[in-house]
Amino acid sequence: DVKVTQSSRYLVKRTGEKVFLECVQDMDHENMFWYRQDPGLGLRLIYFSYDVKMKEKGDIPEGYSVSREKKERFSLILESASTNQTSMYLCASSPGTVSQPQHFGDGTRLSIL
Amino acid sequence: AQSVSQHNHHVILSEAASLELGCNYSYGGTVNLFWYVQYPGQHLQLLLKYFSGDPLVKGIKGFEAEFIKSKFSFNLRKPSVQWSDTAEYFCAVRVFSGGYNKLIFGAGTRLAVHP
Repeated sequence: DVKVTQSSRYLVKRTGEKVFLECVQDMDHENMFWYRQDPGLGLRLIYFSYDVKMKEKGDIPEGYSVSREKKERFSLILESASTNQTSMYLCASSPGTVSQPQHFGDGTRLSIL
Repeated sequence: AQSVSQHNHHVILSEAASLELGCNYSYGGTVNLFWYVQYPGQHLQLLLKYFSGDPLVKGIKGFEAEFIKSKFSFNLRKPSVQWSDTAEYFCAVRVFSGGYNKLIFGAGTRLAVHP
């Protein structure tokens, strides 16, 4: 069974901090995604990666960066956290033949104080 | 701009009632359509999908959805809901334009089923 594991379920950070959210998948999937989920807005794509070291901006990349040094790991970085980045962050993966996210992690609820 | 609308943000039903959740999108070109579900405390998972062919799609747990191209709709249905169907449901539409494609999610509908 595919597992997408996000390193933290809950995280509290301060404004201005550099924040790392980690995601690991165990099915050798080529595609990995980072979304944020906000009430009334659904899921919005932050970044997408289709291979190691490859990334594409999603709909709301401002204030975020990503890193994919190994196929199984996709990191989301908040360069300087701000209160409007308080949200639920979801990581997802899919095989290279499937362009939509197929398997999601449990999410990280991030609060920026 | 392309968008996906889920008109009902909260739905409350009694067990055995019939369910229909609306999903409309604004895009005139080729689309793929999806419904995802997120049960309380669990991760998001795919409920069903439509790419082409029969516009009536059957998914897991007795759910089905019908693609009506003329109405730009992909409504989710279940004849008789159970308490365990309590969840948040997201409609998503992949739009294709040239060599570009994009998956757009609706805002979600929270369904509460009372015993």
